Amino acid sequence: GAGVSQSPSNKVTEKGKDVELRCDPISGHTALYWYRQSLGQGLEFLIYFQGNSAPDKSGLPSDRFSAERTGGSVSTLTIQRTQQEDSAVYLCASSLTAGVRGPDTQYFGPGTRLTVL
Amino acid sequence: QKEVEQNSGPLSVPEGAIASLNCTYSDRGSQSFFWYRQYSGKSPELIMSIYSNGDKEDGRFTAQLNKASQYVSLLIRDSQPSDSATYLCAPRRTGTASKLTFGTGTRLQVTL
Repeated sequence: GAGVSQSPSNKVTEKGKDVELRCDPISGHTALYWYRQSLGQGLEFLIYFQGNSAPDKSGLPSDRFSAERTGGSVSTLTIQRTQQEDSAVYLCASSLTAGVRGPDTQYFGPGTRLTVL
Repeated sequence: QKEVEQNSGPLSVPEGAIASLNCTYSDRGSQSFFWYRQYSGKSPELIMSIYSNGDKEDGRFTAQLNKASQYVSLLIRDSQPSDSATYLCAPRRTGTASKLTFGTGTRLQVTL
């Protein structure tokens, strides 16, 4: 079946511009996560959605970052007034459930490489 | 102290040898532990998960967990050049949000 898809695969923008990154999770997966990975670094958690519950935004680095998930499926991560330090690969993952009562596997999309000039 | 610590490597092993990848974590509430493999320029893929103390084997891979020592490892037997990648350790609390906390990963190089 189809995996997690993300678009665009690459995005180059100028400092100060806004960008939107899209994630389409695996069909039927209720949990969706955004991470980012800077060059040579591990993955950094950003935000997590589970069903209709309020999202866990504890990883968002600043108020320039926001995300929404419409209809429990597609998610958009928006970065306003981009800065050079925002340059990274933004990865989306989904899982069947949140794993609150047990473990669950997160499947990652191919990522969006964001470059802020 | 970092939440998850891994030796960044590169760890170089000859083809056919055993590769041993180690990870320590600081959160004693961690209950689930995941090993992801990430090829250069690609997204992470899950290769092993372990939840109980002891060993868990899956093909050439064995995960080892010691919660008392806050230590988890991954052994790769009969290492192949295709195993060359970065291996990310990710512990997670169960019963709270499912976000994973990743280490920076260990880069493994399997040489011919």
